[in-house]
Amino acid sequence: RKEVEQDPGPFNVPEGATVAFNCTYSNSASQSFFWYRQDCRKEPKLLMSVYSSGNEDGRFTAQLNRASQYISLLIRDSKLSDSATYLCVVNIENYGGSQGNLIFGKGTKLSVKP
Amino acid sequence: EPEVTQTPSHQVTQMGQEVILRCVPISNHLYFYWYRQILGQKVEFLVSFYNNEISEKSEIFDDQFSVERPDGSNFTLKIRSTKLEDSAMYFCASRDRGPEQFFGPGTRLTVL
Repeated sequence: RKEVEQDPGPFNVPEGATVAFNCTYSNSASQSFFWYRQDCRKEPKLLMSVYSSGNEDGRFTAQLNRASQYISLLIRDSKLSDSATYLCVVNIENYGGSQGNLIFGKGTKLSVKP
Repeated sequence: EPEVTQTPSHQVTQMGQEVILRCVPISNHLYFYWYRQILGQKVEFLVSFYNNEISEKSEIFDDQFSVERPDGSNFTLKIRSTKLEDSAMYFCASRDRGPEQFFGPGTRLTVL
């Protein structure tokens, strides 16, 4: 069964804190991995793609462990504006013609307090 | 920066009525998608569209649903006879040859 599992939170942290989110996926055929953020009643917005070697974008670091089917996101020096729901997303592309439909986790809610 | 647009932002309809949700994908993108999100639940895939035809659809996308790209810019989702359980946010997304998908702001559909 295709599933992406995340801790729903909420994570309540003070400004400046470091926070880490974890995600596991069940389908080993998953090809591409992403973190999206979603503000309340808004669309998912791409935060970053996740590569096998790990990647960093400013305060955000993403890691992928294909053997364990595990993805993580680390946010350093949290800002008030980081408050949102963080969605772990995988893309299963198969060579039979699938166009890479995204499979979403339910998301982890982050609330950064002053 | 180019973005996906969707209209209307909010649609209220009576059960059994037909609705058409409209999307304008990013102009040079090739692959188009519809997703939905019921309040409090995760985003779910409905259908993907490429080269003027459906390439994949989920079990949610039954005979009541259809998609169309009537011209070079619009991409529509039609629900023929709405049910109460169709109430949700409907997101359109598009991508070019890369895997990253970009989402429109959504249409909130309320079925009464």
